[in-house]
Amino acid sequence: DAGVIQSPRHEVTEMGQEVTLRCKPISGHDYLFWYRQTMMRGLELLIYFNNNVPIDDSGMPEDRFSAKMPNASFSTLKIQPSEPRDSAVYFCASSLGPAQFFGPGTRLTVL
Amino acid sequence: AQSVAQPEDQVNVAEGNPLTVKCTYSVSGNPYLFWYVQYPNRGLQFLLKYITGDNLVKGSYGFEAEFNKSQTSFHLKKPSALVSDSALYFCAVRVFSSGSARQLTFGSGTQLTVLP
Repeated sequence: DAGVIQSPRHEVTEMGQEVTLRCKPISGHDYLFWYRQTMMRGLELLIYFNNNVPIDDSGMPEDRFSAKMPNASFSTLKIQPSEPRDSAVYFCASSLGPAQFFGPGTRLTVL
Repeated sequence: AQSVAQPEDQVNVAEGNPLTVKCTYSVSGNPYLFWYVQYPNRGLQFLLKYITGDNLVKGSYGFEAEFNKSQTSFHLKKPSALVSDSALYFCAVRVFSSGSARQLTFGSGTQLTVLP
């Protein structure tokens, strides 16, 4: 079975550019989570969806960040405009039961 | 509010020796507890969970964890460590909810190094 799929795996961009990260959850899972991992702040929950509906976006750092889930098999996290402090690894995870299953992550570098 | 503490940033153990990675938690209500492992440049992999029932939970790769309600702990253990167990380990907690709340709170992680 395919796990959570994220693309791209690596993204290097310049400050001010728009960045879009993509996630395909495990088929049949009804929850989808976006996390950010940095050395300084550890693993942070940004937003999560239930049945494509955003439930809690209190972790989204600021208005430059937005996330959508147009259908059960696809979600995006967009940063516009990007800043160097957004450099991190962004993980998507999905779940049906209590445990969450993580994708491989997207390593974002903003120059 | 819910929180997790992993008091050790780094744990070193010799191959073949037992290992323990510590975790304590704080929640208002019944906890769901999890352990995840992260290898370099990889996502987090689910190891095991405690929901209810037996306090000793067995998971992947020979790992187990013991839920101790009185000490609010959920330490990860393995009887005999392997070099390949070297990785970053995260404890996580969430409170049981019959609604749509599903936030996991993660600890800061413990780097386990198994020495040959």
